[in-house]
Amino acid sequence: NAGVTQTPKFRVLKTGQSMTLLCAQDMNHEYMYWYRQDPGMGLRLIHYSVGEGTTAKGEVPDGYNVSRLKKQNFLLGLESAAPSQTSVYFCASSYPRLAYYNEQFFGPGTRLTVL
Amino acid sequence: AQSVTQPDIHITVSEGASLELRCNYSYGATPYLFWYVQSPGQGLQLLLKYFSGDTLVQGIKGFEAEFKRSQSSFNLRKPSVHWSDAAEYFCAVVLPSGGSYIPTFGRGTSLIVHP
Repeated sequence: NAGVTQTPKFRVLKTGQSMTLLCAQDMNHEYMYWYRQDPGMGLRLIHYSVGEGTTAKGEVPDGYNVSRLKKQNFLLGLESAAPSQTSVYFCASSYPRLAYYNEQFFGPGTRLTVL
Repeated sequence: AQSVTQPDIHITVSEGASLELRCNYSYGATPYLFWYVQSPGQGLQLLLKYFSGDTLVQGIKGFEAEFKRSQSSFNLRKPSVHWSDAAEYFCAVVLPSGGSYIPTFGRGTSLIVHP
């Protein structure tokens, strides 16, 4: 099992450009999440999905869109990148139906720089 | 609103010394509790978790944590720190009631280990 993978690992954008970050998991997890991590701010939830075809806003959703067309994939889009979106982005998945499986599994992260 | 507090932004210890990282939460009910570790440049990895039962839980890498309901705390401990334990540590809680299993993270504690 590959677990949770993220593509790409690094990206540099110019202000106003768009891009999509791809997250894939092979554990058949229902829930998927996108976080951003900034120094001193911990992990902040951008969007999440509780199942295929569903998405919901997290703590900091502005400037981002997501889609969950397939259960194993969760895409994060930036339509018009801004320097404030320079961050490290983490994807995670979990299977919350049974309490024992409530832990999250994280991808390795995508480091995004917006100039 | 629910919240998770990690009061210490940075903690410095000498190799071989004992360690305690603090985590407090504010919820009406007992949540599920987790500690994750993030090594530099990597994603988060689960150290240990508490759902119910014995309030002292053992995790990987020699870590343990104790749930204290009266103090709303879930502090992480290790009796003897190794240089490889230098990392960022995150406490997270999940409130299982209401069908929502979206975790809330603390802001993290950075552990520095001196030789």
